[in-house]
Amino acid sequence: DGGITQSPKYLFRKEGQNVTLSCEQNLNHDAMYWYRQDPGQGLRLIYYSQIVNDFQKGDIAEGYSVSREKKESFPLTVTSAQKNPTAFYLCASRPDRDPLYEQYFGPGTRLTVT
Amino acid sequence: LAKTTQPISMDSYEGQEVNITCSHNNIATNDYITWYQQFPSQGPRFIIQGYKTKVTNEVASLFIPADRKSSTLSLPRVSLSDTAVYYCLVGDMSWNDMRFGAGTRLTVKP
Repeated sequence: DGGITQSPKYLFRKEGQNVTLSCEQNLNHDAMYWYRQDPGQGLRLIYYSQIVNDFQKGDIAEGYSVSREKKESFPLTVTSAQKNPTAFYLCASRPDRDPLYEQYFGPGTRLTVT
Repeated sequence: LAKTTQPISMDSYEGQEVNITCSHNNIATNDYITWYQQFPSQGPRFIIQGYKTKVTNEVASLFIPADRKSSTLSLPRVSLSDTAVYYCLVGDMSWNDMRFGAGTRLTVKP
């Protein structure tokens, strides 16, 4: 059963702690993305990666870090430098050469920092 | 990146046809128009994509005028389950061109 998995679904952390959100895909997609969504808002791009060991900052990368050591994995670390980390985080992937402009999204992780 | 403008919200009733228009005045020659649907606490889901004229699939239709400065997503005979946020994206399908706006919140009433 192919798809994108994100874990955990809910995550709670104390302020000042780093936390890593998992994103795994078995779709053999080249590009992967991380978005943040705040209540009632649209998606904002944090980081994206086209190939292994390469990634670029999106619009709101400050306070976040990523790695892409394997094609199927793109973990996101929310560092203590992120001022407002509480949000819904979505991971997505898409084939690099698919003619459709289609991303496949994971179920999301809701992070709460207190 | 072509900027898009959509209505913030729309209301409809079950069984009606809903048309959501997206403005993209600065669309480039290589840009495609894509629509996604998002339910609460879920990731967006691809609905339809087009370049010009009309595209139809089992879920929706997409109408694009000749100047391509706008597009209209048409949902036939909506049901309560169509209540969601709909996003219009415009881009040249490059892998680094995936930015979502605020979307249109559609509420379907009984």
